[in-house]
Amino acid sequence: GENVEQHPSTLSVQEGDSAVIKCTYSDSASNYFPWYKQELGKGPQLIIDIRSNVGEKKDQRIAVTLNKTAKHFSLHITETQPEDSAVYFCAASKVNFGNEKLTFGTGTRLTIIP
Amino acid sequence: ETGVTQSPTHLIKTRGQQVTLRCSSQSGHNTVSWYQQALGQGPQFIFQYYREEENGRGNFPPRFSGLQFPNYSSELNVNALELDDSALYLCASSLSGRQETEAFFGQGTRLTVV
Repeated sequence: GENVEQHPSTLSVQEGDSAVIKCTYSDSASNYFPWYKQELGKGPQLIIDIRSNVGEKKDQRIAVTLNKTAKHFSLHITETQPEDSAVYFCAASKVNFGNEKLTFGTGTRLTIIP
Repeated sequence: ETGVTQSPTHLIKTRGQQVTLRCSSQSGHNTVSWYQQALGQGPQFIFQYYREEENGRGNFPPRFSGLQFPNYSSELNVNALELDDSALYLCASSLSGRQETEAFFGQGTRLTVV
């Protein structure tokens, strides 16, 4: 089955700096890669996703890149703000007619230092 | 906030008991997936329901079972509770049969087995 590894497990950055979280996956058939933000006591919130026919996607301060050959994908947050502090999870899935059993990474606790 | 609601939010059960968790999917969604999230870990896929049928199952024993109703809401049942079943149980709804297949999570049910 699919295996997703996520690094680093914890990350602290100064407010205004950039944060990068990296994930690798094992199943070359995976074609959908979402990123979720989870705040304390809440469920995961989808923040951005990318499909295997795209190499990069950006939404304001958040961007995701995908390298299918290397089976790597990364989350980039620029101009970080205190409200970006949370646990971030990457995930991978084989989407076929909406089947989206998500395999998650182990999470990155991001702390923004004011 | 997503339109996915889960009940109850917190629950304490004794080892050996049975529990039922409930999920109302987002309007227009026809697929419900359940995940178990142990403390400090990423969510683990339990199973998925589409049109009232189980549509994929993760590595969980048969004492984890589920239902989906005609209105696409769902239940997760766990029999013979064990201490290791203590976790946050997450429900995610999505729409199958379309290009867009994002999964939106509820806030979860925190189950404690004592």
